[in-house]
Amino acid sequence: QSALTQPRSVSGSPGQSVTISCTGTSSDVGGYNYVSWYQQHPGKAPKLMISDVSKRPSGVPDRFSGSKSGNTASLTISGLQGEDEADYYCCSYASRSVYVFGTGTKVTVL
Amino acid sequence: EVQLVESGGGLVQPGGSLRLSCAASGFTFSSYEMMWVRQAPGEGLEWVSYISTSGSTKYYADSVKGRFTISRDNARNSLYLQMNSLRAEDTAVYYCAREHADGYNFDYWGQGTLVTVSS
Repeated sequence: QSALTQPRSVSGSPGQSVTISCTGTSSDVGGYNYVSWYQQHPGKAPKLMISDVSKRPSGVPDRFSGSKSGNTASLTISGLQGEDEADYYCCSYASRSVYVFGTGTKVTVL
Repeated sequence: EVQLVESGGGLVQPGGSLRLSCAASGFTFSSYEMMWVRQAPGEGLEWVSYISTSGSTKYYADSVKGRFTISRDNARNSLYLQMNSLRAEDTAVYYCAREHADGYNFDYWGQGTLVTVSS
C-alpha cells in the first residue's frame, strides 16, 4: 500500500493549462480504471473532481479532465482560474475495497 | 442535502483508545458503503478503512490493522471507528466519506475530527 507518486507542486498563470501526474503500479492505477481526483482547499474537506479516470461529477467545471496511460493517470486543468489554487490528490482502487491515495500536488496560480 | 458529521476526536495518550462517530443524514445510509480517511498535519490523505452496507465486510490499511475497528449502525445512520493502542503517528484529522453508488470513489466527505496522540 505505497502512496501513488505525484509532483509536489505545479503552477501556471490564469488561463493556462496545468497537468498533474499520478504514478502507481499494475496493482493499482494500471490494474483498474478506478482513479479519482480530489481537490482540497486549506482547512476544508476534499471534494471529488474526477471519478473513474475521466468522469466529471455534476457541478465540476469542464476545464477539469482526467486520463490514464498504463500505470500513470493525469489530471489537466485547462483555463486555470484563481479558485483552482488548492491541493490535489489522486486515488486508485487497489482490490478488495482497498484504496491508495497519491502524495498530493499543490497547484499555484501565478 | 447529504451531510456527514464526525465527532469524538480529542487528545489521547499513547497506548490509549478513542471512538470516532460519523452521523449521516440526507440519504439512505444503509445503501452506501462507507470509509474512513485520515490526514496527518501538513501531510496527504491516507485511506484507513472500508465497511460494506451491511457491515459484514471490513478492510483496513496495514498501518491500522489489528488496532482499529470500523462498524456501523444502520438504524442510527451512524458510522464508527474504534481506535485502540494509539500511537503518535495516528495523529490526524479523520474524515468519514461515502462511497459513490457506482463505487470506487468518495462523493461526500465530512468536515473531519482531529485526533491528537501525545503525552
